[in-house]
Amino acid sequence: AQTVTQSQPEMSVQEAETVTLSCTYDTSESDYYLFWYKQPPSRQMILVIRQEAYKQQNATENRFSVNFQKAAKSFSLKISDSQLGDAAMYFCAYRFPQGGSEKLVFGKGTKLTVNP
Amino acid sequence: DTGVSQDPRHKITKRGQNVTFRCDPISEHNRLYWYRQTLGQGPEFLTYFQNEAQLEKSRLLSDRFSAERPKGSFSTLEIQRTEQGDSAMYLCASSPSWETPDGYTFGSGTRLTVV
Repeated sequence: AQTVTQSQPEMSVQEAETVTLSCTYDTSESDYYLFWYKQPPSRQMILVIRQEAYKQQNATENRFSVNFQKAAKSFSLKISDSQLGDAAMYFCAYRFPQGGSEKLVFGKGTKLTVNP
Repeated sequence: DTGVSQDPRHKITKRGQNVTFRCDPISEHNRLYWYRQTLGQGPEFLTYFQNEAQLEKSRLLSDRFSAERPKGSFSTLEIQRTEQGDSAMYLCASSPSWETPDGYTFGSGTRLTVV
């Protein structure tokens, strides 16, 4: 069964600094999708970034970028120039290939604190 | 469009009572999902609809749970004979039904407390 592991229950970073959140996953599929979601205290999950497994280039979205290591099944999120508004729970999620299960498999999350 | 709406935001119920939650997805989204999130955990998949058809159900969805999407628009999730273990955040999400899978748009959730 596909599993997603986030080994850092909590992380903290100073404002304007860079932080990296870790995620590993287990799958026997070769083509799949990976996501990072942010859940602020208001609770609504927001998509931060996505990565297609068949793409070797790491995805970037402004201050957010990923380090996708397919062979190692690792998908870390780097947040540059951290801002107070980045404080939230961050969830890594796996999605099956197209035509497979529609569900997302989430990790347990990492709580990010941004210190002023 | 104001995104995915869920109602109510909070629900407190006594054990054994039935509860029903509503989700209104983004209007042009054909796919609708229900997830459950307990404290300190990531969301867990419950069920998925494409239009009005319920195409996937998790084993977490016991016989006490039922979900509908009668006209392919809003959806309801009913829990019968609630138990304390049902206390959780119930999240609804929707996504468009085109070829490239994309991230979901989530609602703010319904927090259920069973006392």
